[in-house]
Amino acid sequence: GNSVTQMEGPVTLSEEAFLTINCTYTATGYPSLFWYVQYPGEGLQLLLKATKADDKGSNKGFEATYRKETTSFHLEKGSVQVSDSAVYFCALRPDNAGNMLTFGGGTRLMVKP
Amino acid sequence: EAQVTQNPRYLITVTGKKLTVTCSQNMNHEYMSWYRQDPGLGLRQIYYSMNVEVTDKGDVPEGYKVSRKEKRNFPLILESPSPNQTSLYFCASRLQGTYEQYFGPGTRLTVT
Repeated sequence: GNSVTQMEGPVTLSEEAFLTINCTYTATGYPSLFWYVQYPGEGLQLLLKATKADDKGSNKGFEATYRKETTSFHLEKGSVQVSDSAVYFCALRPDNAGNMLTFGGGTRLMVKP
Repeated sequence: EAQVTQNPRYLITVTGKKLTVTCSQNMNHEYMSWYRQDPGLGLRQIYYSMNVEVTDKGDVPEGYKVSRKEKRNFPLILESPSPNQTSLYFCASRLQGTYEQYFGPGTRLTVT
């Protein structure tokens, strides 16, 4: 079956530090890959996506590259801010079943001033 | 404002007492779904609906029911709640053919 594995948190960083949150997946074919962010007390919001191998998704200074060879979609940001503190979820949608999203367990990021 | 709304936001109930969590979207989306979020498990899909009168099971459908009589509404029904259904529930909707799902604010359910 399909699965998504994320690094366990929490990840605690100082402001302006470099962020990497690892995400690897198991799926057949070429799934679409997503990062969602959940701010405290809110629902999830789509942060970025990539729909084919070697695509780079980017938004709000965050980036992730779809690596088919390593089945990975790591989230990176060059300089985090306190306002980036949230829970980040990696997710995939299989290429043959457009209505199911499989999520990773989530990684909590805490950024200190 | 385009949004997904859920009610109630918080609910404490007792084992076996039937409850319904409502979900409504104002974006004319065909696709709607329900998830539960549990620590360390991420979000797991309970049920989804591709359009009116079309529903299907997700990964964890046991103990839940849904209906889709109108395009905008997708209620989640727990006929006989049990403590293992204590969780944070999210409703989401998406326009068919697009990638982005819009999530509601969540309903925190506690079953004692």
